[in-house]
Amino acid sequence: QVQLVESGGGVKQPGRSLRLSCAASGFGFSDYAMHWVRQAPGKGLEWVAGVSFDGSHDYYADSVKGRFTISRDSSNNTLYLQMDSLRPDDTAVYYCARDKDAFPGDATRFDYWGRGTLATVSS
Amino acid sequence: IVLTQSPATLSMSPGERATLSCRASQSVSAYFAWYQQKPGQAPRLLIYNTSIRAPGTPARFSGSGSGTDFTLTISSLEPEDFAVYYCQHRTDWPPKFTFGPGTKLDIK
Repeated sequence: QVQLVESGGGVKQPGRSLRLSCAASGFGFSDYAMHWVRQAPGKGLEWVAGVSFDGSHDYYADSVKGRFTISRDSSNNTLYLQMDSLRPDDTAVYYCARDKDAFPGDATRFDYWGRGTLATVSS
Repeated sequence: IVLTQSPATLSMSPGERATLSCRASQSVSAYFAWYQQKPGQAPRLLIYNTSIRAPGTPARFSGSGSGTDFTLTISSLEPEDFAVYYCQHRTDWPPKFTFGPGTKLDIK
């Protein structure tokens, strides 16, 4: 069965960096686009970033563009989110989610989700 | 594109019919999705392409709509249906994605 397991969350000071990982199993990781979606405490869902099946195309929300980098390693079926220049409003549970298609696009929907990892940015 | 959901909170009883709405700020394609989230859990895909139930979604859930107005209907509420529901669509190009603010469906 499809499994997505996030890790790497923790507490960081503003301006520091954090790298999240998502280990994927139970499906052909190299066949699907992947995304990060976050949820601030008590708030709704916010899409953060997405990457194509082969890593050739990546996309970002305006709120994180230039600070966060999404990447993937098909040799170990892992998705990453490098988070630099962290701000307090980046505090959230970060979910890894699978796209139904190979490229993020019009038909994108998030058909499998991990349980999330909490990143807290605070001085 | 901004998605607006109404109502913000819906208080209903088991067995009743629930209608949740999502309005887009401009006309969008039919690639419209709905998710359910229970406390402490990850979201779960319920409906995609406006009206197609995802695997495992009970038949009491149905989706409809076009243009700017989309609806999720639960024909007869079960106790496990009380949760927060989010709509989702692509916005902008290169692609970015947006969720509505959510409708909390709670027990009256």
